[in-house]
Amino acid sequence: EDQVTQSPEALRLQEGESSSLNCSYTVSGLRGLFWYRQDPGKGPEFLFTLYSAGEEKEKERLKATLTKKESFLHITAPKPEDSATYLCAVQATGSNYKLTFGKGTLLTVNP
Amino acid sequence: DGGITQSPKYLFRKEGQNVTLSCEQNLNHDAMYWYRQDPGQGLRLIYYSQIVNDFQKGDIAEGYSVSREKKESFPLTVTSAQKNPTAFYLCASRDRVDSPLHFGNGTRLTVT
Repeated sequence: EDQVTQSPEALRLQEGESSSLNCSYTVSGLRGLFWYRQDPGKGPEFLFTLYSAGEEKEKERLKATLTKKESFLHITAPKPEDSATYLCAVQATGSNYKLTFGKGTLLTVNP
Repeated sequence: DGGITQSPKYLFRKEGQNVTLSCEQNLNHDAMYWYRQDPGQGLRLIYYSQIVNDFQKGDIAEGYSVSREKKESFPLTVTSAQKNPTAFYLCASRDRVDSPLHFGNGTRLTVT
C-alpha cells in the first residue's frame, strides 16, 4: 500500500528564517510526486511535479527536490504570505488515477 | 479563466436527507475526482471518472453516489447512508494520467 508521511505536522518560522518541509513516501514505483499549497477554506493549489530522483523545481521562494525515498520543499527567506498548509501526494506506476496524499504541514510565518 | 467551480460553498442539511454537491469544469479535462478532507487526515478519494458515462469507486465510496453525463459536470450525492457526512468536499480534474490535479475551492457540508 502506498504511504506518504509529511513532517513536521506544524512549523512556525520568523519572516526570513529559511527551512524545509519533508515528504517521505513508500510506493512500488514512483510515477510522480506533487506538491500543493492550501489556504484555509480553499482548494489545494498546485506547486510542483517531480518525476525522478535528482529532479529539482523552483518557484519564487520555494524549491522542491526529490530522492528515491523522500522529497523536500525548501522555503528560502519566507514571508507571512507563505503561511499555508503544504500537501504532498504521490502517484504510483501502474496507477492511472490514484494519488495518495499526506496529511500536510501547516506553516506559519510570523512578521 | 478556466477552472473548476464547486457550489455551494457552504451547505447545511438535516440528518437523513440526501444532498447533491455541484462540480463544473471548463478545462476540457477528461478525468474528474471527488475527495473528502477531514481535520488531521489526508485527502481521501471518494469517486473518480476518467470519461463521460463511466466512473469508479475510490477508497471511501460507501454512502456516496455520482453521475457523469457531461464532460464538464461531475455531481456528488451524499446519501443518508453516509454515517459521517460532515466534511470538506473537494472536486478535481486532470487532463493526463500523470498531470497534476486541478482543484475547486470546495464545499463545506454540515449535517446535524
